[in-house]
Amino acid sequence: EVQLLESGGGLVQPGGSLRLSCAASGFTFRTYAMTWVRQAPGKRLEWVSTISGVGGSTYYADSVKGRFTISRDNSKDTLYLQMNSLRAGDTAVYYCASKIGVYGDPFDHWGQGTLVTVSS
Amino acid sequence: EIVLTQSPDFQSVTPKEKVTITCRASQSVGSSLHWYQQKPDQSPKLLIKYASQSISGVPSRFSGSGSVTDFTLTINGLEAEDAAAYYCHQSSSLPWTFGQGTKVEIK
Repeated sequence: EVQLLESGGGLVQPGGSLRLSCAASGFTFRTYAMTWVRQAPGKRLEWVSTISGVGGSTYYADSVKGRFTISRDNSKDTLYLQMNSLRAGDTAVYYCASKIGVYGDPFDHWGQGTLVTVSS
Repeated sequence: EIVLTQSPDFQSVTPKEKVTITCRASQSVGSSLHWYQQKPDQSPKLLIKYASQSISGVPSRFSGSGSVTDFTLTINGLEAEDAAAYYCHQSSSLPWTFGQGTKVEIK
């Protein structure tokens, strides 16, 4: 059974940093592209970032480019999202999701999400 | 950026009724359009991929159709457990985008 378990969310002040993790199991992690999607309260889903299976290619939404860094450790089956210079607008539940390929494929499995709240 | 617009935003439906949700893209996405179901306080779940392809484990009452810019999700014979928000999503071009969602309530 595929499982994705996010952690690392919490309350942080504007301008602060946070690192999210997503532990994967039940599939061959290194062969899947991985993605972070967020959802602000009462809002639609928003794609944040994607990383290819071997980690050589990364992609970011304009809203987080230059502030967030996606990475992965295939030896630990774990995905990360380093979030710097956080703003109130980054407040959301952050989901990690798997996709077979970077382009074209849907997000076929999702974690339960971790809440990030940016507030003073 | 490709904008996805769903209609309606909200639908209140009696069990066993047919539900139709549409998703219109601001430009062609080919068939790279997918549908997700999100129940309250849960993460999204993939329902239909590539406009009309079924997903293992998803009840057969869920089906999808369409191509290019106009797509439809149909629930044939709504059940109480189908109360949820439904989102379309395009993976044709970056940035990947989602529709605003359609909330389906059971009468």
